[in-house]
Amino acid sequence: KAGVTQTPRYLIKTRGQQVTLSCSPISGHRSVSWYQQTPGQGLQFLFEYFSETQRNKGNFPGRFSGRQFSNSRSEMNVSTLELGDSALYLCASSYFLGGGSEAFFGQGTRLTVV
Amino acid sequence: AQTVTQSQPEMSVQEAETVTLSCTYDTSESDYYLFWYKQPPSRQMILVIRQEAYKQQNATENRFSVNFQKAAKSFSLKISDSQLGDAAMYFCAYRSTGANSKLTFGKGITLSVRP
Repeated sequence: KAGVTQTPRYLIKTRGQQVTLSCSPISGHRSVSWYQQTPGQGLQFLFEYFSETQRNKGNFPGRFSGRQFSNSRSEMNVSTLELGDSALYLCASSYFLGGGSEAFFGQGTRLTVV
Repeated sequence: AQTVTQSQPEMSVQEAETVTLSCTYDTSESDYYLFWYKQPPSRQMILVIRQEAYKQQNATENRFSVNFQKAAKSFSLKISDSQLGDAAMYFCAYRSTGANSKLTFGKGITLSVRP
């Protein structure tokens, strides 16, 4: 069974640009959540989607957005990139919402903003 | 809001020895889940062990076990017979049972294993 796939693995963007990251969950999983990981702030929750609906959102500016498609694949978009957006972005998928369902993580997308 | 605290940024253990990683959390809820995740240099987070708050028995997975003290809001991870492959960053995490809950992580601890 294929794991969680995130593309691309590495990305370099310029300040002011926008970027779209993709996450394909494990087959059958309907929940996808996104996290930003930085050395200073650690792992911070961005948002979670379930059956194409955003179910929870972290404390990030509106420049960070996401969506989920009918096949459960998810994308996150960051507009007007800032240097501080440089981070490892992780997505995780699970069968259902809540702590009772194990979250499986992808290998992440390393975004560098220059 | 729930918070997870890992106060030790780094720890080191001799191969084949035992090490305990500490974690405390704060919540007003009575039912929730606690997790330990491992993140090796490959960056992929791997679930090491999970504890359900309503279960009094401490979870165990092979060489990994937890000491869950609900009243003290403490959740430590014990790694027995440490191996070189255990070297990684370890994150303690919390999630309530609610469908709209989120996974909250501690800052993590870097574990090195000395041969």
